[in-house]
Amino acid sequence: EPEVTQTPSHQVTQMGQEVILRCVPISNHLYFYWYRQILGQKVEFLVSFYNNEISEKSEIFDDQFSVERPDGSNFTLKIRSTKLEDSAMYFCASRPGQGNGANVLTFGAGSRLTVL
Amino acid sequence: AQSVTQLGSHVSVSEGALVLLRCNYSSSVPPYLFWYVQYPNQGLQLLLKYTSAATLVKGINGFEAEFKKSETSFHLTKPSAHMSDAAEYFCAVIRSGGSYIPTFGRGTSLIVHP
Repeated sequence: EPEVTQTPSHQVTQMGQEVILRCVPISNHLYFYWYRQILGQKVEFLVSFYNNEISEKSEIFDDQFSVERPDGSNFTLKIRSTKLEDSAMYFCASRPGQGNGANVLTFGAGSRLTVL
Repeated sequence: AQSVTQLGSHVSVSEGALVLLRCNYSSSVPPYLFWYVQYPNQGLQLLLKYTSAATLVKGINGFEAEFKKSETSFHLTKPSAHMSDAAEYFCAVIRSGGSYIPTFGRGTSLIVHP
């Protein structure tokens, strides 16, 4: 079964450092997403990406965050100047956008970010 | 704006007992509703979805959910819990006709006792 792959599974960083979380979506999917879940809280939408540009973003997704699809397979989330409150599980997801299951998101296992 | 509320951050049942995980939604238009499950160290996996067809939706692993518009609910049930059902369960809503961005609840942790 095709899956969304995320790396690293866990990253520990010092406050103020930059981190890049990587995702490989399912190959024929057209829409990509990042969500995050702070421990004990809701899974929150950050950003959606289609046709090489951001299609929607939440108020959480400020100038500290950026996304990129540097090649045909990777989809990255960059967090600049990390803060303690950025500690969370970050989920990548993708969906086909057409055909059967067009609107069903497939999620990766998540990347746990710990900011010290 | 749409939202979901999952009542109870933890639900504990005995193996073989009925599982009931509650989800209430708010949406200004008919919604699409989903239940996802997350097993330890894995991603969110789709259990089932409601997209305005049958109100009783059957999913994987013996789970089902019933869409009740009058109660704005989409509770998840399974007649007989199995130890392997222990996981985190998330309800999510998408506003039909809008952007396909699910809004998730806080999640409910299902604990199954032998």
